[in-house]
Amino acid sequence: DSGVTQTPKHLITATGQRVTLRCSPRSGDLSVYWYQQSLDQGLQFLIQYYNGEERAKGNILERFSAQQFPDLHSELNLSSLELGDSALYFCASSVTENPYNEQFFGPGTRLTVL
Amino acid sequence: AQSVTQPDIHITVSEGASLELRCNYSYGATPYLFWYVQSPGQGLQLLLKYFSGDTLVQGIKGFEAEFKRSQSSFNLRKPSVHWSDAAEYFCAVGAYSGNTPLVFGKGTRLSVIA
Repeated sequence: DSGVTQTPKHLITATGQRVTLRCSPRSGDLSVYWYQQSLDQGLQFLIQYYNGEERAKGNILERFSAQQFPDLHSELNLSSLELGDSALYFCASSVTENPYNEQFFGPGTRLTVL
Repeated sequence: AQSVTQPDIHITVSEGASLELRCNYSYGATPYLFWYVQSPGQGLQLLLKYFSGDTLVQGIKGFEAEFKRSQSSFNLRKPSVHWSDAAEYFCAVGAYSGNTPLVFGKGTRLSVIA
């Protein structure tokens, strides 16, 4: 158990819908990272927050947004969902804003868009 | 920008046999290199990392990796594989020049047979 929690574990929804994925980092970790894992693209970095501020942005679509709250939990919002958004979404956390410090990954949220 | 290639999608080894998983990176300067493991149904866990110094790096669970600049490689090895090592293994690279996000390879799935 990494100490990072993600909810829900599974999510099934329809095209065009909007969903919110939630992540609670390890106690004491200030950075949260979001990744998308799909069979064709592999593990892709989406976005990083550090202590409530956006720190780095990767291949995140404009339909996707994220935020980190004062209690350091984070939410990833996915809107106007398409079939291709079906994937495993991971959250990871680390102590500092440096992504090269060990990142601790949650178990992921599996999103299925029908 | 840095990139990572893991040439082997799937490898099967017998329990007790030695293991080598290949990783090749592309980056103009000295990279930061990582190996993560993803067990079934779980998030990724850091096995080991290379920043500088000794090119042979020891990690958890009996794994080691060797950085070879001349070959742009960072192969992961284990002398004797256990059934519990069956998992997906990801190589990742970070840029020495700054705290840019990690870039992950597409992974190698390891199966262990009796």
